Amino acid sequence: AQRVTQPEKLLSVFKGAPVELKCNYSYSGSPELFWYVQYSRQRLQLLLRHISRESIKGFTADLNKGETSFHLKKPFAQEEDSAMYYCALSGISGTSYGKLTFGQGTILTVHP
Amino acid sequence: GAGVSQSPRYKVTKRGQDVALRCDPISGHVSLYWYRQALGQGPEFLTYFNYEAQQDKSGLPNDRFSAERPEGSISTLTIQRTEQRDSAMYRCASSLELAGPGDTQYFGPGTRLTVL
Repeated sequence: AQRVTQPEKLLSVFKGAPVELKCNYSYSGSPELFWYVQYSRQRLQLLLRHISRESIKGFTADLNKGETSFHLKKPFAQEEDSAMYYCALSGISGTSYGKLTFGQGTILTVHP
Repeated sequence: GAGVSQSPRYKVTKRGQDVALRCDPISGHVSLYWYRQALGQGPEFLTYFNYEAQQDKSGLPNDRFSAERPEGSISTLTIQRTEQRDSAMYRCASSLELAGPGDTQYFGPGTRLTVL
């Protein structure tokens, strides 16, 4: 069965410091991976996805198939980055096709 | 334009009552998903539709849960004979295309269900 693990429930950094939110997955095959974010009093929204290989709000994420990881990184954190971040996986075939499997989430707090 | 809407936003009910949660997707969106999120956990897949067809209901926890999307637009998630363990945030999402691994799912604000 597929699984997404975010080992840190809470992560605190100071403004301007680098930040890395960890995500590991288990899936037999090559999944599609996503990071979703929920800012305070807002709805869950897509931050970025592996397939697009894009940088959004200064965040990047690299898929490491050997380590089955998809860590989210930003070199200089900003206070407005404080939010709940979810890593998610979507299967490309079979019973997991199209539906998202989420990790437990990491609350990022960026202090001034 | 308007995003995904859900109603009610908050629902408090007594154990044993039936509840119906509504999701209104973004106009023109083909796929619609339901997720449930317990406190401190990530969203968990329940079911999804392409148009009016329910493609996968493997995440529905038991037969007290059902969902429909009769006209391929608005969807209703119904929980019969609610139990305290059903208390959670219920999230709906829609996507423009047929459900697939690369599509972007747009989420609604969620319905917070509390069963007393």
